Amino acid sequence: AQSVTQPDIHITVSEGASLELRCNYSYGATPYLFWYVQSPGQGLQLLLKYFSGDTLVQGIKGFEAEFKRSQSSFNLRKPSVHWSDAAEYFCAVASGGSYIPTFGRGTSLIVHP
Amino acid sequence: NAGVTQTPKFQVLKTGQSMTLQCAQDMNHNSMYWYRQDPGMGLRLIYYSASEGTTDKGEVPNGYNVSRLNKREFSLRLESAAPSQTSVYFCASSEVPGLGNTIYFGEGSWLTVV
Repeated sequence: AQSVTQPDIHITVSEGASLELRCNYSYGATPYLFWYVQSPGQGLQLLLKYFSGDTLVQGIKGFEAEFKRSQSSFNLRKPSVHWSDAAEYFCAVASGGSYIPTFGRGTSLIVHP
Repeated sequence: NAGVTQTPKFQVLKTGQSMTLQCAQDMNHNSMYWYRQDPGMGLRLIYYSASEGTTDKGEVPNGYNVSRLNKREFSLRLESAAPSQTSVYFCASSEVPGLGNTIYFGEGSWLTVV
């Protein structure tokens, strides 16, 4: 069965600092990978997704993620964080066994001024 | 663009009461989903409907029923609410059932069962 792990429950960064949120998946073949963001009191919004091809994927709001098959990872990055990036971030994986993504438990991003 | 609309946004129920969460999407999507979100648990799929006329159980279906009323609407019913069903519920939709399709979420319904 597909699964995804987000090892960090909370991440705190200063505004302007770089950011990396970790995501590891469990699935044998190449999975379909997603990052979603949830602002307080809101639903989830897709930041980016990876299916195949270039392993570095660009998303909205200046985010990018890199698929590393050897590490079973799909980490989310942003070079300079803004206070408005404070939110909950979810990694998700879908595979041949189930097209419906399985979500990780989320990482809460706190941004200090 | 309304996207996915859920009602009500907030609800307090007493144990044993029933209620229905309503969801409608205006994107002409074929697939619709109900998730619940609990602290530290991420999102867990309750039920989904791959297309109009079909529904299937997800990871945590116990205590819930669903109805795909038409292509636009997908409701979630709690027949006899329990405190364990206190959660935030999200309705979502995607264009078709298939790998890689983006899932679009509603803004959530906060349900408290006392």
